[in-house]
Amino acid sequence: AQSVTQLGSHVSVSEGALVLLRCNYSSSVPPYLFWYVQYPNQGLQLLLKYTTGATLVKGINGFEAEFKKSETSFHLTKPSAHMSDAAEYFCAVSEAGNTGKLIFGQGTTLQVKP
Amino acid sequence: DAGVIQSPRHEVTEMGQEVTLRCKPISGHNSLFWYRQTMMRGLELLIYFNNNVPIDDSGMPEDRFSAKMPNASFSTLKIQPSEPRDSAVYFCASSLGPNGLSYTFGSGTRLTVV
Repeated sequence: AQSVTQLGSHVSVSEGALVLLRCNYSSSVPPYLFWYVQYPNQGLQLLLKYTTGATLVKGINGFEAEFKKSETSFHLTKPSAHMSDAAEYFCAVSEAGNTGKLIFGQGTTLQVKP
Repeated sequence: DAGVIQSPRHEVTEMGQEVTLRCKPISGHNSLFWYRQTMMRGLELLIYFNNNVPIDDSGMPEDRFSAKMPNASFSTLKIQPSEPRDSAVYFCASSLGPNGLSYTFGSGTRLTVV
């Protein structure tokens, strides 16, 4: 069965510093991978997704993620953090069997310090 | 597209009362998901429907919870009777197709049971 592990429930960075949020997955089939962001008091919004092809995926707000099959990882990065990036971030993998369901990680809260 | 629409945005009710949460998925989407989010347990999948049919309700916490999808454009999540521990944010999401590529969340309903 598919699963997603996000390493670190809380990450704190200074404004302007590199953001790195870690995600590892397990999947019995080639995965479709996603990152979602949730700002306070809002729903989850899609940041980026990997389906096939280029393993480095660019998303909104300057975020990108790289699919590494050998490491079963899909880490999210941003070169320079902005205060507005403070939010909760969820990694997800599509469930095998074409159910249309996504399996979500437990989430990582990103704090950005001035 | 108006996105996934949930109502009400906020609900405050007394313990023992019936609560009904509503969701209108994106037109054309064939899968619908109900989630609950709390600080303690994170994001939990309660139930999901495919083509209006409940596929997996293993996440429904108790018999007090029930969900229906009478047609492709409407779903309800009912709690009867409600308890304080049901206080949470409830999200609805919809998607089209087998791989979750169009997974879209609503803004959620914040339920407080006093």
